[in-house]
Amino acid sequence: DAKTTQPTSMDCAEGRAANLPCNHSTISGNEYVYWYRQIHSQGPQYIIHGLKNNETNEMASLIITEDRKSSTLILPHATLRDTAVYYCIVRSPNDYKLSFGAGTTVTVRA
Amino acid sequence: EAGVAQSPRYKIIEKRQSVAFWCNPISGHATLYWYQQILGQGPKLLIQFQNNGVVDDSQLPKDRFSAERLKGVDSTLKIQPAKLEDSAVYLCASSLSWAASGNTIYFGEGSWLTVV
Repeated sequence: DAKTTQPTSMDCAEGRAANLPCNHSTISGNEYVYWYRQIHSQGPQYIIHGLKNNETNEMASLIITEDRKSSTLILPHATLRDTAVYYCIVRSPNDYKLSFGAGTTVTVRA
Repeated sequence: EAGVAQSPRYKIIEKRQSVAFWCNPISGHATLYWYQQILGQGPKLLIQFQNNGVVDDSQLPKDRFSAERLKGVDSTLKIQPAKLEDSAVYLCASSLSWAASGNTIYFGEGSWLTVV
């Protein structure tokens, strides 16, 4: 039972920032927001996760709204290799598994 | 650090035949997962192990699927007999423990099964 809503697809220009939205209006106070991506023919790859604060790592930034009902994954300089399906997942502290929805198919164009 | 290893990478079998997939998790990871991913869909959990014990197998079709993790390290997923609808990618994943707090799950490359 996916707890998130993502656009089905989006395009992005190479070298530009890619902003991937995710709605999670029923999120609880102790639930995390996780992002994974899946490049064609590969397994899902962990990108980033957060609880309340914005997070940044070498791959991306995660911006979570103050009410926590939505978030945005930012790929600062998209490359062709960032073309993938991106999954936004809400996970409770007691939830040992990841429940995947359909994700957003992101196509980076030259 | 080595990632999650899976084999075989690709397998084609006829319906009613059997197949087995092997997974070696990241060293030290107590929790192991098997997911099934049908083309065009997100992965779906089949079974989860904590060390060598089963935590959740509620989505595993037990009439034809079985999985084991005898020594709490590597694991085998078996399908017998296979049906056409079993055509999918079988993903193995692992994590340090089953608690979600700051506990990242890492996936292998997957084993692609085609049943003809």
